[in-house]
Amino acid sequence: EDKVVQSPLSLVVHEGDTVTLNCSYEVTNFRSLLWYKQEKKAPTFLFMLTSSGIEKKSGRLSSILDKKELSSILNITATQTGDSAIYLCITGTYKYIFGTGTRLKVLA
Amino acid sequence: AAGVIQSPRHLIKEKRETATLKCYPIPRHDTVYWYQQGPGQDPQFLISFYEKMQSDKGSIPDRFSAQQFSDYHSELNMSSLELGDSALYFCASSLGRGANQPQHFGDGTRLSIL
Repeated sequence: EDKVVQSPLSLVVHEGDTVTLNCSYEVTNFRSLLWYKQEKKAPTFLFMLTSSGIEKKSGRLSSILDKKELSSILNITATQTGDSAIYLCITGTYKYIFGTGTRLKVLA
Repeated sequence: AAGVIQSPRHLIKEKRETATLKCYPIPRHDTVYWYQQGPGQDPQFLISFYEKMQSDKGSIPDRFSAQQFSDYHSELNMSSLELGDSALYFCASSLGRGANQPQHFGDGTRLSIL
């Protein structure tokens, strides 16, 4: 059965801290891995990773995929209170397989 | 930028009633996906449409049907509603089908069955 596992489930940090969110997957037909951020509304797209070892970066956020280890990490540096959200790791092709999410809370 | 629009935001129905959920994709997006997220569960893929044709089918019950119209909006029709149908229903859209384009999600319709 295809599955995506994220860790930690929940994380509380202070502003300015750096966090690393983990995602591991087992899927029969891997095509891509995606990271989304979900606040109170719809998940918003962050990154799509298809190639191993190539870092995607957007401001303070970055992510990398390791196909050998079937895993990915999402790094957030210099965290801000606005980074507080659930971060979803997703794999799949036409249908998404969702991880359970990591709930990040950044304290002022 | 325009996002995926779902309506209604909330819907309350009784058992055995019917419900219709609507999804308006991002302009120019030709693929629509439906997901069901039960309480405390991960979203589960139901069905998708590409260019107004059903493209892939997931765990959609036989009581449910869906279609994509000529303007690319989609409707999920649910009949003989059961208590277990209470969930958050997400719609997503993408440009093209497959793994090359990310799906963009709507805010969801929360369906409650009494």
